Amino acid sequence: EIVLTQSPATLSLSPGERATLSCRASQSVSSYLAWYQQKPGQAPRLLIYDASNRATGIPARFSGSGSGTDFTLTISSLEPEDFAVYYCQQRSNGGLTFGGGTKVEIK
Amino acid sequence: QVTLRESGPALVKPTQTLTLTCTFSGFSLSTSGMCVSWVRQPPGKALEWLALIDWDDDKYYSTSLKTRLTISKDTSKNQVVLTMTNMDPVDTATYYCARMDYYDSRGLDYWGQGTLVTVSS
Repeated sequence: EIVLTQSPATLSLSPGERATLSCRASQSVSSYLAWYQQKPGQAPRLLIYDASNRATGIPARFSGSGSGTDFTLTISSLEPEDFAVYYCQQRSNGGLTFGGGTKVEIK
Repeated sequence: QVTLRESGPALVKPTQTLTLTCTFSGFSLSTSGMCVSWVRQPPGKALEWLALIDWDDDKYYSTSLKTRLTISKDTSKNQVVLTMTNMDPVDTATYYCARMDYYDSRGLDYWGQGTLVTVSS
């Protein structure tokens, strides 16, 4: 089973700052990696699929990059509504796994 | 538009079997590329993938839970059912169903609101 490790666990930033979140896979997942945002009491929301494609309606300040085992989610300039928990997820051989999450909190 | 809704018991006793139903609209599980997945989240913890069923009736399970899980679909009713046997208090979580379009976004693009299941005697 492929394990996804997200870092850091918590990111303390101010609105307007750039956020860089990392997701590392225990073996190559090619580009089959997605990113989600989750706010308290809500279901996750798909942000990025196939490592770098923004889902429908996702603002351009969200971008994804990487392939193989190392991936990055970048939020170019944090808006107040972006403070949330972010998860990466891989899909391989039909099965999925999620990373442990990164909480982006207000500094 | 696409919607999904989870239903099932809010409380189950240890050792019992949990049965959850995902009722969806706005797409068909007989359409090539369509999949429905179950994901859970214990209170204050991370997301955990459980199972996925696709348009071709192929089924995939979490390695750690596969002996306890069964996923099935009823295409005519637009429903996917997940059963989990031998429930334990550590299985207390919010359970979500979500859609994946394997040939489009290839992420879980629509989610239900989730249903909280508590395991307690």
